[in-house]
Amino acid sequence: SAVISQKPSRDICQRGTSLTIQCQVDSQVTMMFWYRQQPGQSLTLIATANQGSEATYESGFVIDKFPISRPNLTFSTLTVSNMSPEDSSIYLCSVSTVTTGYEQYFGPGTRLTVT
Amino acid sequence: AQKITQTQPGMFVQEKEAVTLDCTYDTSDPSYGLFWYKQPSSGEMIFLIYQGSYDQQNATEGRYSLNFQKARKSANLVISASQLGDSAMYFCAMGRRSNDYKLSFGAGTTVTVRA
Repeated sequence: SAVISQKPSRDICQRGTSLTIQCQVDSQVTMMFWYRQQPGQSLTLIATANQGSEATYESGFVIDKFPISRPNLTFSTLTVSNMSPEDSSIYLCSVSTVTTGYEQYFGPGTRLTVT
Repeated sequence: AQKITQTQPGMFVQEKEAVTLDCTYDTSDPSYGLFWYKQPSSGEMIFLIYQGSYDQQNATEGRYSLNFQKARKSANLVISASQLGDSAMYFCAMGRRSNDYKLSFGAGTTVTVRA
């Protein structure tokens, strides 16, 4: 399985500000995804991070609010822009590895609180 | 559209006993995968087991087994010999091959193991 790290692990931010979350994988992976888990809820896919091109967003999520970068096969960032208390969630990146087929592994998550 | 249903919000199980977590899904795609994840209170998502739609055998991983009934569109997780450390939230998820295995998650089931 891939070893995935995320930074920061948690943060408390003021409304109106932005936070960039980093996701680092210890090996090259084909697919990287970003999910959001609102308090007491299940996970919802935000977008697929595409290497070298614009991310593919799911319905209800837009690039202006959640810009994503993926400069190479092991790293991606998600920015939560112009935050409001409704953005308080756990943000998780996941990867699908070439060697293990369709198994998907998640990073430890970033717990964001917006005040 | 794909939908994952977990009807059990919470379950209690006695230590050393087995527990079955229900999951049904709905898709018209012939090629898909079913996943189970464990989420302890720390928030990380731990991959447990994967079942492909074309797999003839039910998947097993240690104390975890997946009871896959394709015609009924169910993919129940069985945890045998429960341990106190199994207390967590468990999520069922599905990804379709035609959609790069982007995951849709069920609402989750909280399992509490009693000593």
